[in-house]
Amino acid sequence: AQKVTQAQTEISVVEKEDVTLDCVYETRDTTYYLFWYKQPPSGELVFLIRRNSFDEQNEISGRYSWNFQKSTSSFNFTITASQVVDSAVYFCALSGRAGNMLTFGGGTRLMVKP
Amino acid sequence: GAGVSQSPSNKVTEKGKDVELRCDPISGHTALYWYRQSLGQGLEFLIYFQGNSAPDKSGLPSDRFSAERTGGSVSTLTIQRTQQEDSAVYLCASSSVVSGGLGTQYFGPGTRLLVL
Repeated sequence: AQKVTQAQTEISVVEKEDVTLDCVYETRDTTYYLFWYKQPPSGELVFLIRRNSFDEQNEISGRYSWNFQKSTSSFNFTITASQVVDSAVYFCALSGRAGNMLTFGGGTRLMVKP
Repeated sequence: GAGVSQSPSNKVTEKGKDVELRCDPISGHTALYWYRQSLGQGLEFLIYFQGNSAPDKSGLPSDRFSAERTGGSVSTLTIQRTQQEDSAVYLCASSSVVSGGLGTQYFGPGTRLLVL
């Protein structure tokens, strides 16, 4: 069985602070994919990143960066210099095979205050 | 191009009535998924269609739930004899085929269902 745990249910920061959202996963698959999605107040899930289990390189995209560590089964997401527009619920998800159903974590609600 | 679309955006129904929710995937995407998002259960997988293969129905919570996909494109999720616990946001996603398997799932805006 697969499981994704986002221990932080809610985080509140002040604008321009850096913030890290934690994600820990469990799977018996040797090949798997990890994802982060953003759900703003409008409700639509917006894709942010996908990583496969063979690629542990960290990735940076603008103010966003991701740290994938197989040794600790973690795929953490950092927002640098947070902005009010970053306020949303962020979901980490796991797929056992590319295209298979996603197992989601419980989500982390991020509130960025001006 | 156009993203995943869902209709209706909101649906209010009475307990015991049947409802149909529609999903139009991104053009060319061969895989289509239904998920449910509720306060108590978070985001849960319901059913998955890929091409002409038999759908994976392993996530459907009861036999009151069914889905079909016509012509490999549009999908309809049907809930019969709705119950109050069916109240949730129903999300549809689609993905394309890429090297090594299927691609990233892109989500529609969802249908918010309220059963009174």
